[in-house]
Amino acid sequence: EAGVVQSPRYKIIEKKQPVAFWCNPISGHNTLYWYRQNLGQGPELLIRYENEEAVDDSQLPKDRFSAERLKGVDSTLKIQPAELGDSAVYLCASTDGDSGANVLTFGAGSRLTVL
Amino acid sequence: SQQGEEDPQALSIQEGENATMNCSYKTSINNLQWYRQNSGRGLVHLILIRSNEREKHSGRLRVTLDTSKKSSSLLITASRAADTASYFCATDDRNRLAFGKGNQVVVIP
Repeated sequence: EAGVVQSPRYKIIEKKQPVAFWCNPISGHNTLYWYRQNLGQGPELLIRYENEEAVDDSQLPKDRFSAERLKGVDSTLKIQPAELGDSAVYLCASTDGDSGANVLTFGAGSRLTVL
Repeated sequence: SQQGEEDPQALSIQEGENATMNCSYKTSINNLQWYRQNSGRGLVHLILIRSNEREKHSGRLRVTLDTSKKSSSLLITASRAADTASYFCATDDRNRLAFGKGNQVVVIP
């Protein structure tokens, strides 16, 4: 099993540029999360999908962040335009939720540096 | 905002010693989980304890949960150099998993 795959692993951009991150969850996992992790901090939830529906996006800064999960499988997270404070690791995670417990499998993350 | 708060924030121990970390939280939970993160990597699930459980073991890990005090502890026994990592508690409330700030543990060979 491939696990949760994210790309790119690293991205360096200048402020005001757009950036996009891609996530391929574990096959069969219908719930997908995007988290942001600042240096020395724990992950903070940005958005949660159940299949293709965003069921929890209350913490997504909607003025510059957008996400989609077409066909309920892969997902992309976009930032446009990027700001200096967006430098962080963006983590994708998925779960099948069938066990009744919300155990997440994380990808390796996409590290964004905004100059 | 962060749900869990781990204590202590950083811990340095000798190989073979035990490491204990605590986590406090504020709201009601379905379960509490602990994750490990090695440098530059994603988080890996370690153990889950449900709100109606008080103690759980998995290999060298022992987790306790006190819902009256809204706190949990993670004990790693007989630590190894490979246990060097950051450890996060996460509270699950209606499928929203909220993470604490993490404990950095360094195991010195």
